[in-house]
Amino acid sequence: AQKITQTQPGMFVQEKEAVTLDCTYDTSDPSYGLFWYKQPSSGEMIFLIYQGSYDQQNATEGRYSLNFQKARKSANLVISASQLGDSAMYFCAMREGPSSASKIIFGSGTRLSIRP
Amino acid sequence: GAVVSQHPSRVICKSGTSVKIECRSLDFQATTMFWYRQFPKQSLMLMATSNEGSKATYEQGVEKDKFLINHASLTLSTLTVTSAHPEDSSFYICSARGRGILTNEKLFFGSGTQLSVL
Repeated sequence: AQKITQTQPGMFVQEKEAVTLDCTYDTSDPSYGLFWYKQPSSGEMIFLIYQGSYDQQNATEGRYSLNFQKARKSANLVISASQLGDSAMYFCAMREGPSSASKIIFGSGTRLSIRP
Repeated sequence: GAVVSQHPSRVICKSGTSVKIECRSLDFQATTMFWYRQFPKQSLMLMATSNEGSKATYEQGVEKDKFLINHASLTLSTLTVTSAHPEDSSFYICSARGRGILTNEKLFFGSGTQLSVL
């Protein structure tokens, strides 16, 4: 069964608009972490934002915010005021368990394209 | 921010040869390193997890004798693709997690290695 599900293979958004990228996850472990990474065409993985399962507030990092709905097991990424440079693949990822050695698994990704 | 250096960025080799990819954490101690494989337009598939000084833990379906992982120090992990074949052609990317408040949650990634086996 898929642990991380990203249902949007591709999205087109007009520049300056906000965009929400969906991510749902499946785990029975009470301690886990959720991540979003951006992968431009160059291939590098750029960390965007992190949400811990015990965090009370939704994480925010500049134009990025994570809409964490624990009961629904969703961790959507919201990008406000999109820019042309936001065009890239976006991956949602999850770490199960509190251990620093716990592995991190990735969703299938969403390709975001920003229209000028 | 923390930096992970991965070399080479691109390698082309003949079938049957072995290729070594290095992953170094430049400004933090990488207690755990992960190796991922990514096919074009697909997600990252975890191959193995390695902790410094111990044997790597391989994911199901990954041949440990073909993909040799060594994590000899807190700053260096290597992946050796032995007797490479065309089906091993892929994008390989390492990541590292370190100690400390600023690094113990995030994964820091290398820039990846594009392997092409002829």
